Amino acid sequence: KNQVEQSPQSLIILEGKNCTLQCNYTVSPFSNLRWYKQDTGRGPVSLTIMTFSENTKSNGRYTATLDADTKQSSLHITASQLSDSASYICVAAGWGQNFVFGPGTRLSVLP
Amino acid sequence: DAMVIQNPRYQVTQFGKPVTLSCSQTLNHNVMYWYQQKSSQAPKLLFHYYDKDFNNEADTPDNFQSRRPNTSFCFLDIRSPGLGDAAMYLCATSEDMTSGTYEQYFGPGTRLTVT
Repeated sequence: KNQVEQSPQSLIILEGKNCTLQCNYTVSPFSNLRWYKQDTGRGPVSLTIMTFSENTKSNGRYTATLDADTKQSSLHITASQLSDSASYICVAAGWGQNFVFGPGTRLSVLP
Repeated sequence: DAMVIQNPRYQVTQFGKPVTLSCSQTLNHNVMYWYQQKSSQAPKLLFHYYDKDFNNEADTPDNFQSRRPNTSFCFLDIRSPGLGDAAMYLCATSEDMTSGTYEQYFGPGTRLTVT
């Protein structure tokens, strides 16, 4: 069964600290792995897209890693800001329009 | 310079009263998607259009219909909303879907409340 699991379910950190979010997927055939940021009451916004041949990709303070062998991905946020408070959704994409969404990690950054 | 626009942002409807949500895009993308997202859950794909070709997910209830009169617009019709249909409805677009890494652009969503 195609599915995506994310951990932790929620996370609270202090402003300026780093954090890492985890994603495990079982999607086959696998095409690419996406991370989205979703602010409360808004649509998701793409952070990174990685194909199975890519190990890491950065977007500003966001760095995603992918291990296609173990089917694991992580999203590392450096020097967190209050505006990073959001849900972070991991999506494993098969071929065509087969997107499998994870449940998200709710991140709260406190001053 | 909004790219995917959804109207209204908030919609209240009565149980059983038909409601239509709208989505428009300025990207000229071929593919448009409708997702349902309930509180603290992942978005769930309802259906998508590739140009004029409609593709329904197997588990999308018949209560949900969609129309795409032209490239720019796509509508979600809920024929008889139930309390369980209260959710955020997200529209998304992508230029294509045959290659792997096509980007999806989401609209801000319409929050539907059923009373």
